[in-house]
Amino acid sequence: KQEVTQIPAALSVPEGENLVLNCSFTDSAIYNLQWFRQDPGKGLTSLLLIQSSQREQTSGRLNASLDKSSGRSTLYIAASQPGDSATYLCAVSYDSWGKLQFGAGTQVVVTP
Amino acid sequence: GAGVSQTPSNKVTEKGKYVELRCDPISGHTALYWYRQSLGQGPEFLIYFQGTGAADDSGLPNDRFFAVRPEGSVSTLKIQRTERGDSAVYLCASSAYSKDTEAFFGQGTRLTVV
Repeated sequence: KQEVTQIPAALSVPEGENLVLNCSFTDSAIYNLQWFRQDPGKGLTSLLLIQSSQREQTSGRLNASLDKSSGRSTLYIAASQPGDSATYLCAVSYDSWGKLQFGAGTQVVVTP
Repeated sequence: GAGVSQTPSNKVTEKGKYVELRCDPISGHTALYWYRQSLGQGPEFLIYFQGTGAADDSGLPNDRFFAVRPEGSVSTLKIQRTERGDSAVYLCASSAYSKDTEAFFGQGTRLTVV
């Protein structure tokens, strides 16, 4: 069974610290992997998309790495801010048609 | 439109009733997806449309659930004989092509069955 796991389930850090969020997937034959942000009562916002042939993607303070062979991805958020407080979801696709399998998310709180 | 629009944003219905949830994708997006998100969980795939046809409906939990996209744009998710276990947030997403491009999500419809 293909599963996506995110650890930790929740994380609280003081402003300015770097955030490290982990995602693991049991079937390494992924097509791509995406990281999303979800604010309470809102939909999902795509942060980064990594193709299976890539090792990392960067956007501003965000960097996502992908180790396909070990079934892991890590999202790094540098110099966290209170506005980064949200739930972060990892999702993998096993085909080219965009169907996503999500982890349960990591709820992040950044305290001022 | 500027983004994926879902209506209503909230729906409360009685057990056994029929409900329809609507999704307006981004104009020109040919791929459309429905997901269901229960409290504290990640979204679970329900159905995927490419144009007017359902290319993959393997995530629909049972035959009470049905979705259509008759003209290749707006989609409606239909749930018959609702049960309390159907309570969740129903998310719609669309993408320009089904391959290699990110999906854009709507804000969801929160369905509560009482």
